[in-house]
Amino acid sequence: EAQVTQNPRYLITVTGKKLTVTCSQNMNHEYMSWYRQDPGLGLRQIYYSMNVEVTDKGDVPEGYKVSRKEKRNFPLILESPSPNQTSLYFCASSLRAGGVADTQYFGPGTRLTVL
Amino acid sequence: GNSVTQMEGPVTLSEEAFLTINCTYTATGYPSLFWYVQYPGEGLQLLLKATKADDKGSNKGFEATYRKETTSFHLEKGSVQVSDSAVYFCALLNTGNQFYFGTGTSLTVIP
Repeated sequence: EAQVTQNPRYLITVTGKKLTVTCSQNMNHEYMSWYRQDPGLGLRQIYYSMNVEVTDKGDVPEGYKVSRKEKRNFPLILESPSPNQTSLYFCASSLRAGGVADTQYFGPGTRLTVL
Repeated sequence: GNSVTQMEGPVTLSEEAFLTINCTYTATGYPSLFWYVQYPGEGLQLLLKATKADDKGSNKGFEATYRKETTSFHLEKGSVQVSDSAVYFCALLNTGNQFYFGTGTSLTVIP
C-alpha cells in the first residue's frame, strides 16, 4: 500500500531535550516536505526536499533541522525543543514538486507537546 | 510575497445546499493552486488542482477555476452531503517549489 508513515504519532517532551520525528514514504517520491498545523494559522511549511541531499527552508524553519540521506526518509529534528514548537506536524511527499504528477500524500500526523 | 486567504468558518449547511468557499492568493510568477480536504483525525488529501490560468479542477462534485485576473480559486459544490463535512484548505505552490496554505474552512453539513 502506498503510504507516508510518521513516528511517533504522539510525543510529550520537555524543553531542551533533542527529539527526532521520522518520516518514510514507499512511493519513490522525489519531493518531501514537513508542515506544522496550528489553530487559526493553517499549515505552514517548515522544510522541503527536492531530492536526496537537497533541502530548502520553508516558511518557518527556525528551530528545526532536516536531512535527506535516502530518498524514502526525511526526518525532522528538534535540537532544543521549546514550548512554542508544540503543534501537529505532518510529513508529505509527491513524485515531484509541481507539474502534472504533483499530488501530495500526507502522513497521519505527529502531535508534539513540549512542556 | 506569497500568501493564501480563504473565508473563515465555520460553515454550516443543510444537505443538498450549494457550497462556496472563497480563496484568493498572492504570488509572484504563476503558481499552481490546490484544494485539500482534512477529515477528523487524518492528514490532508488532495481534492483538486489547477496548474494554469482558466484551468478548472474537479473531483467528487467539487469544482474550482483558476482565475488569474481576480487571483482567486473558489471552491464550489452544487449539492453537499453529510459526508462532505471536513476542513478544506486552499493552497498554492510557487515557482520556487514552496507550498503556502490558507487557514482552513470547517464545513459541517446537517441532514
